[in-house]
Amino acid sequence: DSGVTQTPKHLITATGQRVTLRCSPRSGDLSVYWYQQSLDQGLQFLIQYYNGEERAKGNILERFSAQQFPDLHSELNLSSLELGDSALYFCASSSRGGAGELFFGEGSRLTVL
Amino acid sequence: LAKTTQPISMDSYEGQEVNITCSHNNIATNDYITWYQQFPSQGPRFIIQGYKTKVTNEVASLFIPADRKSSTLSLPRVSLSDTAVYYCLVVPGGFKTIFGAGTRLFVKA
Repeated sequence: DSGVTQTPKHLITATGQRVTLRCSPRSGDLSVYWYQQSLDQGLQFLIQYYNGEERAKGNILERFSAQQFPDLHSELNLSSLELGDSALYFCASSSRGGAGELFFGEGSRLTVL
Repeated sequence: LAKTTQPISMDSYEGQEVNITCSHNNIATNDYITWYQQFPSQGPRFIIQGYKTKVTNEVASLFIPADRKSSTLSLPRVSLSDTAVYYCLVVPGGFKTIFGAGTRLFVKA
């Protein structure tokens, strides 16, 4: 158990819909990262927050947005969903924003039909 | 950001030592080299991190030459349960932790 909690674990929805994925980092970790992993693909970095502020952005689509709240949990919002958005979405946390170890959650599996 | 290159896949047998080499030619002064392991449908798990020379922990060793343009993850006496994808990352002292394609290690009996 990494200490990072992601909900929901599984989500099935239809094209055009909007979903919110939630991540609770390990206690005390200030940094949260979001990654997308499509079937048999590598991990695509989406975005990183550090203590409530956006710190780094990857290839995150404009239809996607995220935020980190004062209690340090984070949410990833995916809107106008397309079939290609079906993937595992991982959240990771670390105590620092830099080269420290990342602790990953179990992921949220999104299926868009 | 430093780009990493590692073999797409490797095969090994139980009990053997496995060495996975990663090249990162444009590594910067404040970059660290980090390796993660990922099983199917699970989040990656940190294995080891180093800056230079050799680092060893209970599961692996990491060898980094003086020029730091490559690194080698060494897994001693692998077992079937070590079958996974192994990612080499060059992590800047700042942010943006980027994963490459990884190396799929398949351990056979």
